[in-house]
Amino acid sequence: DAMVIQNPRYQVTQFGKPVTLSCSQTLNHNVMYWYQQKSSQAPKLLFHYYDKDFNNEADTPDNFQSRRPNTSFCFLDIRSPGLGDAAMYLCATRKSVLDTQYFGPGTRLTVL
Amino acid sequence: SQQGEEDPQALSIQEGENATMNCSYKTSINNLQWYRQNSGRGLVHLILIRSNEREKHSGRLRVTLDTSKKSSSLLITASRAADTASYFCATDENGNKLVFGAGTILRVKS
Repeated sequence: DAMVIQNPRYQVTQFGKPVTLSCSQTLNHNVMYWYQQKSSQAPKLLFHYYDKDFNNEADTPDNFQSRRPNTSFCFLDIRSPGLGDAAMYLCATRKSVLDTQYFGPGTRLTVL
Repeated sequence: SQQGEEDPQALSIQEGENATMNCSYKTSINNLQWYRQNSGRGLVHLILIRSNEREKHSGRLRVTLDTSKKSSSLLITASRAADTASYFCATDENGNKLVFGAGTILRVKS
Protein backbone atom coordinates (compact mmCIF):
# COMPACT_ATOMS: atom_id res chain seq x y z
CA ASP A 1 0.00 0.00 0.00
CA ALA A 2 1.28 3.41 -0.92
CA MET A 3 2.35 5.35 2.15
CA VAL A 4 3.50 8.63 0.62
CA ILE A 5 1.51 9.64 -2.42
CA GLN A 6 2.34 12.42 -4.81
CA ASN A 7 0.06 13.89 -7.42
CA PRO A 8 0.41 14.36 -10.24
CA ARG A 9 3.35 12.17 -11.20
CA TYR A 10 4.05 14.39 -14.19
CA GLN A 11 3.19 18.06 -14.44
CA VAL A 12 3.70 20.36 -17.39
CA THR A 13 3.28 24.09 -16.91
CA GLN A 14 4.09 27.22 -18.82
CA PHE A 15 6.72 29.72 -17.88
CA GLY A 16 5.27 31.98 -15.19
CA LYS A 17 2.07 30.00 -14.70
CA PRO A 18 1.51 29.02 -11.06
CA VAL A 19 1.52 25.34 -10.27
CA THR A 20 0.71 23.28 -7.18
CA LEU A 21 2.08 19.87 -6.37
CA SER A 22 0.47 17.74 -3.72
CA CYS A 23 1.63 15.13 -1.26
CA SER A 24 -0.37 12.97 1.09
CA GLN A 25 0.65 10.36 3.60
CA THR A 26 -1.10 7.52 5.37
CA LEU A 27 1.60 7.13 8.03
CA ASN A 28 0.41 9.86 10.39
CA HIS A 29 3.95 11.19 10.52
CA ASN A 30 4.68 14.49 12.18
CA VAL A 31 7.30 15.71 9.76
CA MET A 32 6.88 16.35 6.04
CA TYR A 33 9.56 17.50 3.63
CA TRP A 34 9.81 18.86 0.11
CA TYR A 35 12.95 18.27 -1.92
CA GLN A 36 13.95 19.43 -5.37
CA GLN A 37 16.12 17.09 -7.41
CA LYS A 38 17.66 18.04 -10.72
CA SER A 39 19.11 15.55 -13.13
CA SER A 40 22.11 13.62 -11.78
CA GLN A 41 22.11 15.62 -8.55
CA ALA A 42 21.31 14.89 -4.95
CA PRO A 43 17.92 15.89 -3.54
CA LYS A 44 18.00 19.41 -2.18
CA LEU A 45 15.80 20.25 0.79
CA LEU A 46 13.44 23.17 0.17
CA PHE A 47 11.51 23.22 3.46
CA HIS A 48 9.88 21.01 6.02
CA TYR A 49 7.04 21.01 8.51
CA TYR A 50 7.27 19.63 12.00
CA ASP A 51 3.57 19.39 12.73
CA LYS A 52 2.43 22.90 11.86
CA ASP A 53 5.79 24.53 12.34
CA PHE A 54 7.21 25.58 9.00
CA ASN A 55 10.97 25.56 8.42
CA ASN A 56 12.36 27.17 5.30
CA GLU A 57 15.87 26.49 4.05
CA ALA A 58 17.89 29.68 3.76
CA ASP A 59 18.53 29.24 0.04
CA THR A 60 15.00 28.29 -0.99
CA PRO A 61 13.75 30.89 -3.47
CA ASP A 62 10.76 33.02 -2.49
CA ASN A 63 9.04 31.64 -5.56
CA PHE A 64 8.46 28.42 -3.61
CA GLN A 65 5.79 28.25 -0.94
CA SER A 66 4.25 25.44 1.02
CA ARG A 67 1.05 24.68 2.88
CA ARG A 68 0.16 21.95 5.30
CA PRO A 69 -3.57 22.14 6.06
CA ASN A 70 -3.57 18.95 8.12
CA THR A 71 -1.31 16.07 9.16
CA SER A 72 -1.95 14.09 5.99
CA PHE A 73 -1.48 16.68 3.27
CA CYS A 74 1.25 19.03 2.19
CA PHE A 75 1.37 21.23 -0.91
CA LEU A 76 4.19 22.85 -2.83
CA ASP A 77 3.24 26.02 -4.65
CA ILE A 78 5.50 27.49 -7.29
CA ARG A 79 4.22 30.98 -7.90
CA SER A 80 5.98 31.82 -11.14
CA PRO A 81 7.85 28.82 -12.51
CA GLY A 82 10.98 29.50 -14.48
CA LEU A 83 12.83 27.16 -16.80
CA GLY A 84 15.31 26.53 -14.00
CA ASP A 85 12.55 25.09 -11.82
CA ALA A 86 12.12 22.07 -14.05
CA ALA A 87 13.04 19.16 -11.82
CA MET A 88 11.77 16.19 -9.87
CA TYR A 89 10.01 17.25 -6.68
CA LEU A 90 10.09 14.72 -3.89
CA CYS A 91 7.92 14.64 -0.81
CA ALA A 92 9.06 12.73 2.26
CA THR A 93 7.74 12.04 5.72
CA ARG A 94 9.18 11.01 9.04
CA LYS A 95 7.59 10.25 12.37
CA SER A 96 10.17 12.18 14.31
CA VAL A 97 13.86 12.92 14.58
CA LEU A 98 16.02 9.78 14.39
CA ASP A 99 13.43 7.81 12.44
CA THR A 100 13.49 6.50 8.89
CA GLN A 101 12.44 9.00 6.25
CA TYR A 102 10.04 7.71 3.60
CA PHE A 103 9.79 9.21 0.14
CA GLY A 104 6.99 9.45 -2.35
CA PRO A 105 7.49 8.59 -6.02
CA GLY A 106 8.03 12.20 -6.99
CA THR A 107 6.46 14.66 -9.42
CA ARG A 108 8.39 15.45 -12.58
CA LEU A 109 7.83 19.11 -13.41
CA THR A 110 8.38 20.38 -16.94
CA VAL A 111 8.32 24.12 -17.64
CA LEU A 112 7.69 25.18 -21.23
CA SER B 1 24.18 22.22 1.91
CA GLN B 2 25.53 18.76 1.20
CA GLN B 3 27.28 17.02 4.00
CA GLY B 4 27.78 13.51 2.66
CA GLU B 5 30.27 13.01 -0.11
CA GLU B 6 30.23 9.73 -1.95
CA ASP B 7 32.87 7.74 -3.63
CA PRO B 8 33.04 6.57 -6.34
CA GLN B 9 30.78 8.78 -8.42
CA ALA B 10 30.12 5.88 -10.76
CA LEU B 11 30.73 2.16 -10.56
CA SER B 12 30.33 -0.50 -13.24
CA ILE B 13 30.55 -4.17 -12.35
CA GLN B 14 29.52 -7.58 -13.65
CA GLU B 15 26.53 -9.42 -12.28
CA GLY B 16 27.55 -11.57 -9.34
CA GLU B 17 30.34 -9.26 -8.20
CA ASN B 18 30.25 -7.21 -5.02
CA ALA B 19 29.80 -3.43 -5.08
CA THR B 20 31.15 -1.12 -2.42
CA MET B 21 30.21 2.53 -2.08
CA ASN B 22 31.64 4.94 0.44
CA CYS B 23 30.26 8.02 2.10
CA SER B 24 32.09 10.65 4.14
CA TYR B 25 30.56 13.42 6.19
CA LYS B 26 31.75 16.42 8.14
CA THR B 27 29.84 16.95 11.38
CA SER B 28 28.51 14.79 14.17
CA ILE B 29 25.39 12.84 13.29
CA ASN B 30 22.52 11.04 14.95
CA ASN B 31 22.24 8.46 12.21
CA LEU B 32 23.07 7.78 8.59
CA GLN B 33 20.68 6.40 6.01
CA TRP B 34 21.25 4.82 2.63
CA TYR B 35 18.77 5.15 -0.22
CA ARG B 36 18.42 3.72 -3.71
CA GLN B 37 16.93 5.59 -6.62
CA ASN B 38 16.06 4.02 -9.92
CA SER B 39 16.13 6.33 -12.91
CA GLY B 40 13.28 8.84 -12.80
CA ARG B 41 11.79 7.40 -9.62
CA GLY B 42 11.58 8.26 -5.94
CA LEU B 43 14.06 7.24 -3.27
CA VAL B 44 13.73 3.88 -1.60
CA HIS B 45 15.06 3.53 1.93
CA LEU B 46 17.61 0.74 2.35
CA ILE B 47 19.17 0.91 5.80
CA LEU B 48 19.39 3.27 8.76
CA ILE B 49 22.43 2.95 11.00
CA ARG B 50 22.59 4.88 14.25
CA SER B 51 25.66 6.65 15.51
CA ASN B 52 26.21 4.03 18.24
CA GLU B 53 26.12 1.14 15.75
CA ARG B 54 29.08 -0.07 13.74
CA GLU B 55 27.55 -2.50 11.28
CA LYS B 56 24.15 -3.48 9.98
CA HIS B 57 22.89 -6.10 7.56
CA SER B 58 19.80 -6.38 5.43
CA GLY B 59 19.67 -9.24 2.95
CA ARG B 60 22.54 -8.70 0.51
CA LEU B 61 23.31 -5.28 1.97
CA ARG B 62 25.91 -4.54 4.61
CA VAL B 63 26.46 -1.07 5.99
CA THR B 64 29.31 -0.01 8.22
CA LEU B 65 29.75 3.22 10.13
CA ASP B 66 32.98 4.62 11.52
CA THR B 67 32.20 7.76 13.47
CA SER B 68 35.86 8.39 14.27
CA LYS B 69 36.57 8.69 10.54
CA LYS B 70 33.16 10.17 9.76
CA SER B 71 32.58 7.60 7.07
CA SER B 72 30.21 4.83 6.07
CA SER B 73 30.22 2.15 3.44
CA LEU B 74 27.49 0.22 1.65
CA LEU B 75 28.34 -3.23 0.36
CA ILE B 76 26.02 -5.03 -2.04
CA THR B 77 26.97 -8.68 -2.38
CA ALA B 78 26.27 -10.91 -5.37
CA SER B 79 24.98 -7.98 -7.39
CA ARG B 80 22.15 -8.32 -9.89
CA ALA B 81 21.18 -6.30 -12.93
CA ALA B 82 18.19 -5.04 -10.92
CA ASP B 83 20.62 -3.36 -8.50
CA THR B 84 21.46 -0.84 -11.22
CA ALA B 85 20.51 2.50 -9.69
CA SER B 86 21.86 5.57 -7.93
CA TYR B 87 22.72 5.15 -4.27
CA PHE B 88 22.70 8.04 -1.83
CA CYS B 89 23.83 8.36 1.73
CA ALA B 90 22.07 10.89 3.93
CA THR B 91 23.17 12.11 7.30
CA ASP B 92 20.87 13.12 10.09
CA GLU B 93 22.34 16.17 11.69
CA ASN B 94 21.12 17.58 14.98
CA GLY B 95 17.77 18.85 13.91
CA ASN B 96 15.03 17.54 11.78
CA LYS B 97 16.48 17.09 8.34
CA LEU B 98 18.59 14.76 6.24
CA VAL B 99 21.43 16.05 4.14
CA PHE B 100 22.21 13.99 1.06
CA GLY B 101 25.47 13.16 -0.60
CA ALA B 102 25.97 13.47 -4.34
CA GLY B 103 25.34 9.78 -4.89
CA THR B 104 27.02 6.85 -6.60
CA ILE B 105 25.70 5.58 -9.92
CA LEU B 106 25.92 1.80 -9.96
CA ARG B 107 25.64 -0.15 -13.18
CA VAL B 108 25.49 -3.94 -13.01
CA LYS B 109 26.08 -5.62 -16.34
CA SER B 110 24.51 -8.97 -17.07
